[in-house]
Amino acid sequence: QKEVEQNSGPLSVPEGAIASLNCTYSDRVSQSFFWYRQYSGKSPELIMSIYSNGDKEDGRFTAQLNKASQYVSLLIRDSQPSDSATYLCAVNVITGGGNKLTFGTGTQLKVEL
Amino acid sequence: EAQVTQNPRYLITVTGKKLTVTCSQNMNHEYMSWYRQDPGLGLRQIYYSMNVEVTDKGDVPEGYKVSRKEKRNFPLILESPSPNQTSLYFCASSWTGISTDTQYFGPGTRLTVL
Repeated sequence: QKEVEQNSGPLSVPEGAIASLNCTYSDRVSQSFFWYRQYSGKSPELIMSIYSNGDKEDGRFTAQLNKASQYVSLLIRDSQPSDSATYLCAVNVITGGGNKLTFGTGTQLKVEL
Repeated sequence: EAQVTQNPRYLITVTGKKLTVTCSQNMNHEYMSWYRQDPGLGLRQIYYSMNVEVTDKGDVPEGYKVSRKEKRNFPLILESPSPNQTSLYFCASSWTGISTDTQYFGPGTRLTVL
């Protein structure tokens, strides 16, 4: 089983709709969870971080964490064409050598006019 | 401007010809890391460094070397590149290696090994 799993997509939503991106992880002791956005050929940029159960909102973005279910999600409200990108879920996993950030393979989001 | 820089941005080379990809950050970050990104495999960590002179292997260290002689620089060395090292490489840094730290990524280096 992969440590961090995401549906590769593409996930297509119409402009103005809510996009829902999901991620599951396997390591129960994971402490920190991140969502990065990556445009094609560009570097990942941080969108949201979440450390405790519940919801965290930042503008049009809401991250949701459920540690019991080992599940983290990202909601994008009022989706815009500029939101079209690949969204990477990253989980901080504690290892013998310290903390390690493990990425999922990403979900491609397409926002259609 | 706070940033992570990588050079070169694009490189085409041949099998066996040693190369170095440089990474530098101006944020006084302690933690630095190298990733490679391949289609369908996502970002995988190659090596990381918790501080000067402290480096450790990530998930895919074979065929790579790193050094951390100064806090700001973390070069990635391919002693004898092979075609399976053709990939998009990212350097990243954060204040420390603790779990809540945000990692900031460089612009990437696209490497092709013929």
